[in-house]
Amino acid sequence: DIVMTQSPPSLPVTPGEPASISCRSSQSLRHSNGNHYLEWYLQKAGQSPQLLIHMASSRASGVPDRFSGSGSGTDFTLKISRVEAEDVGVYYCKQALQTPIAFGQGTRLEIK
Amino acid sequence: QAQLVQSGAEVKKPGSSVTVSCKATGGPFNRYTISWVRQAPGQGLEWMGRIIPNLDIVDYSQNFQGRVTISAVKSTTTAYMELTSLRSEDTAVYYCASGDHYNYYGMDVWGQGTTVTVSS
Repeated sequence: DIVMTQSPPSLPVTPGEPASISCRSSQSLRHSNGNHYLEWYLQKAGQSPQLLIHMASSRASGVPDRFSGSGSGTDFTLKISRVEAEDVGVYYCKQALQTPIAFGQGTRLEIK
Repeated sequence: QAQLVQSGAEVKKPGSSVTVSCKATGGPFNRYTISWVRQAPGQGLEWMGRIIPNLDIVDYSQNFQGRVTISAVKSTTTAYMELTSLRSEDTAVYYCASGDHYNYYGMDVWGQGTTVTVSS
């Protein structure tokens, strides 16, 4: 089974400053079609998770362009270019390459 | 606009079973893969299993040791998750989430969540 490891667990950020979250998988998430099946989700307090990034670097519909995903193989990063107050919540990475699907433990972004 | 609407909150006794439903509207059910994900209080997201209704494919997490059954009724565009032999540790919010199996871009639609409380 693929294990997902995120860091840091908690991330205090000043509004307007950048933020970066790391996600590492125990096996490569590269499919034979060349895509990396790595997704990022944000769960705001009291809400269902929402998709931010799929295929490691493609923004989901309606996601602001301050969010970007990068990485390949086993190492991936979610970056927020300028954090806004509405970005507060818990960020999860997830591998969708094979079952069992697995989420990272989550990174809680908070405003300083 | 695609939506997933889940059944209401449940309170169950230890040892009993619960079934949560997830009705899909506004989207192509015959293209969906539907996953079930749970979140215990204050904890992260845990994948339980998924179904591809059009292909009759179901996969489960071994973490539930055969206690979970996922099914779907195509005619009513509804998926179900049954969890048996409930214990207090199963107290959680249960979510269904869908993606397009044939043109996969992540789990882009989520249900509102169903709270299941297991208590004697």
